[in-house]
Amino acid sequence: EAQVTQNPRYLITVTGKKLTVTCSQNMNHEYMSWYRQDPGLGLRQIYYSMNVEVTDKGDVPEGYKVSRKEKRNFPLILESPSPNQTSLYFCASSSPSGGANTQYFGPGTRLTVL
Amino acid sequence: DAKTTQPPSMDCAEGRAANLPCNHSTISGNEYVYWYRQIHSQGPQYIIHGLKNNETNEMASLIITEDRKSSTLILPHATLRDTAVYYCIVRPPISNFGNEKLTFGTGTRLTIIP
Repeated sequence: EAQVTQNPRYLITVTGKKLTVTCSQNMNHEYMSWYRQDPGLGLRQIYYSMNVEVTDKGDVPEGYKVSRKEKRNFPLILESPSPNQTSLYFCASSSPSGGANTQYFGPGTRLTVL
Repeated sequence: DAKTTQPPSMDCAEGRAANLPCNHSTISGNEYVYWYRQIHSQGPQYIIHGLKNNETNEMASLIITEDRKSSTLILPHATLRDTAVYYCIVRPPISNFGNEKLTFGTGTRLTIIP
């Protein structure tokens, strides 16, 4: 089954403790992206990657890092999490087809930073 | 990306067709209309997209007006599981060197009534 998976699905951590949220897709997609969703602010893009070893900042990249060493994986790294990074995070992937670009989203990771 | 306007909320009786409107009067000639939905904090789910012609898939139908300034998503036989926030997104075709970011507005909260 074609899908985007994220782990963990839920995480409670403390300020300053480094964490990684993994994202993996099995559709051989070139493009991957991370969003965060907060009440009243909608989905905002954090980082994106157009292919292996090609990453760039989205709208809210501060406090986050990413890497794209393999095509299928796009982990989101929080080196020193802070309470304002408490949010619902989604990974997405896509590949162009016929001029359109349909994105597929993971199930989400709910992160709480105390 | 072109701006879209959707009603904030709608109700529909279970088993009836749900018709969700979207206004995109500033759409450009090469921009696609996409529909996604988000069921309570799950990852956004792709529904359908179109450029000029009406489209139908296993989930829904998309009717685009001849002038392309508005469209309607039709869920032919709504079920309780269709209760979600529906987003209409207009964006240009794929870019081999660009960010395929999706800009989600506030969407329409569709409630299916038993």
